[in-house]
Amino acid sequence: KQEVTQIPAALSVPEGENLVLNCSFTDSAIYNLQWFRQDPGKGLTSLLLIQSSQREQTSGRLNASLDKSSGRSTLYIAASQPGDSATYLCAVNAGGTSYGKLTFGQGTILTVHP
Amino acid sequence: DAGITQSPRHKVTETGTPVTLRCHQTENHRYMYWYRQDPGHGLRLIHYSYGVKDTDKGEVSDGYSVSRSKTEDFLLTLESATSSQTSVYFCAISESPIRQAISGNTIYFGEGSWLTVV
Repeated sequence: KQEVTQIPAALSVPEGENLVLNCSFTDSAIYNLQWFRQDPGKGLTSLLLIQSSQREQTSGRLNASLDKSSGRSTLYIAASQPGDSATYLCAVNAGGTSYGKLTFGQGTILTVHP
Repeated sequence: DAGITQSPRHKVTETGTPVTLRCHQTENHRYMYWYRQDPGHGLRLIHYSYGVKDTDKGEVSDGYSVSRSKTEDFLLTLESATSSQTSVYFCAISESPIRQAISGNTIYFGEGSWLTVV
């Protein structure tokens, strides 16, 4: 059974810092991995999607890397802003007959203070 | 934003009563999902659908049933609600693997339905 772990569970940083969120998964046979953002009381917004054949994806100040063989992904946020405060979730998609059955980590709660 | 509407958004019901949550999409995506989100457990898949009338169980399907008679609608039914089913329920949609590999589109989530069983 796939298990996804996110470290740290919570992170508080001053504005402007660069930061790294970590995600690890136990079964390397994945189809893709996604990072999501969730604001309080809201649904999930996809930030980055990395296919299993890719090593990284970038969007603006966000960069996500994937090392499938070691079961790790990192989300790098550059020059953090108070508006980045949210819960960040990673999820893996096994693909094949399990396509779409995402397994989520429990998230990292990020607070960026001015 | 993807066109996903969940209803009702908030509901309080009594133990033992049936409850149906509706997910409606306007994106014509083939795959639809129901997840629940609970403190300490994160998001867990309840049921999903890979086409009209084609559904399968997820990780936490006991006590839930689903139906999909049209591409755009996916219903989640709690036959006899229990307090353990108090949760936030999220619907999600995605394209098929082949179309997703071409489009690069991801999975899209609705805004959630808050259900309290008393």
